[in-house]
Amino acid sequence: TQLLEQSPQFLSIQEGENLTVYCNSSSVFSSLQWYRQEPGEGPVLLVTVVTGGEVKKLKRLTFQFGDARKDSSLHITAAQPGDTGLYLCAGPFNFGNEKLTFGTGTRLTIIP
Amino acid sequence: GAGVSQTPSNKVTEKGKYVELRCDPISGHTALYWYRQSLGQGPEFLIYFQGTGAADDSGLPNDRFFAVRPEGSVSTLKIQRTERGDSAVYLCASSLSLAGATQYFGPGTRLTVL
Repeated sequence: TQLLEQSPQFLSIQEGENLTVYCNSSSVFSSLQWYRQEPGEGPVLLVTVVTGGEVKKLKRLTFQFGDARKDSSLHITAAQPGDTGLYLCAGPFNFGNEKLTFGTGTRLTIIP
Repeated sequence: GAGVSQTPSNKVTEKGKYVELRCDPISGHTALYWYRQSLGQGPEFLIYFQGTGAADDSGLPNDRFFAVRPEGSVSTLKIQRTERGDSAVYLCASSLSLAGATQYFGPGTRLTVL
């Protein structure tokens, strides 16, 4: 079974703090995506990383793809209440295979 | 333009009943996906359509689950003889038929089997 494990599973921090969420697998990914999902809605794509070692920034969010393309991290600087949600990593294991395998998710709560 | 829409938003049924869940993809998207998300977990792949045909149905848990997309647009996920373990949010996504194309998700249908 191909698994993407995320840690931590739950995270609750004060507004203004920094945090990092991790996504790990024993398998290599052709690319990896990060999504945010809010209650009653479907996941919304935040970013796609493709190259090993790649770093992408989206305002206060920084995404990194591991050199071996087996892991990724999401770092949020100065968290805000609007960052609250379920963060999911996902990837296709083979290029051209569009089926996504999702991680176990990190539920983030930012306390005002 | 409109996003992916799913109906109904909520469905409550009794064990053993038959249910149909509908997905309207974004206009022009030829690829369509069904996923299932259980409480507290990430979505799990069920089936993927390219046009009218199922390109990959490896995620369907058993033969009680079936999906169609007869005209290459709207898709229906059909579940026969529902079981309590089928309770979950069923998500639909659509995309352009390009390698690595972004999948756009609908809000899901929450299915509860009593």
